[in-house]
Amino acid sequence: DARVTQTPRHKVTEMGQEVTMRCQPILGHNTVFWYRQTMMQGLELLAYFRNRAPLDDSGMPKDRFSAEMPDATLATLKIQPSEPRDSAVYFCASGLALVVANEQFFGPGTRLTVL
Amino acid sequence: SQKIEQNSEALNIQEGKTATLTCNYTNYSPAYLQWYRQDPGRGPVFLLLIRENEKEKRKERLKVTFDTTLKQSLFHITASQPADSATYLCALENSGGYQKVTFGTGTKLQVIP
Repeated sequence: DARVTQTPRHKVTEMGQEVTMRCQPILGHNTVFWYRQTMMQGLELLAYFRNRAPLDDSGMPKDRFSAEMPDATLATLKIQPSEPRDSAVYFCASGLALVVANEQFFGPGTRLTVL
Repeated sequence: SQKIEQNSEALNIQEGKTATLTCNYTNYSPAYLQWYRQDPGRGPVFLLLIRENEKEKRKERLKVTFDTTLKQSLFHITASQPADSATYLCALENSGGYQKVTFGTGTKLQVIP
């Protein structure tokens, strides 16, 4: 059955290293979201793409985070350099933008630990 | 400022009873509201969507109400089962557009056998 996939599922890295997380949205979906989830802040939207174009990345620290969609089957979220405060679970979600509503299908997440 | 409030305290309920979770919001005028379920170690899963002109929506044992005057949504699970134990998140359409939603922090439900 169709589902969003994310790699890696777990990542442990040292402060200052580059981290790249990948997401394959559900085929046919035209919206992609990147979220970060922590106990304190809950689910925070980092970036939002529609038809591969970035529509909103206001939730993302611009100096170290970048998000791209090189093609319709791949979305990436990069952190460079990583910091301990970036430790969180990062979720990718995809959806099909209709007139009003946008049900989101979430991937399993990447659990990032920055030491 | 905009705020979405869900009970941060866990809700414990006896199996077979109706669980009621609350989502209150301020400074939003959402066209719709969504409810998601999240199990430990997994991504949220969509459950229900209710539009601003709908008072109530049902799906099997789930019922959602949406009161735009009170700025509140209630999420009910009738005949609750231990398998319903999870964290439940409400999500509101963000008036910034693009069909972007903002999530509440969720309420953890524990159904006790």
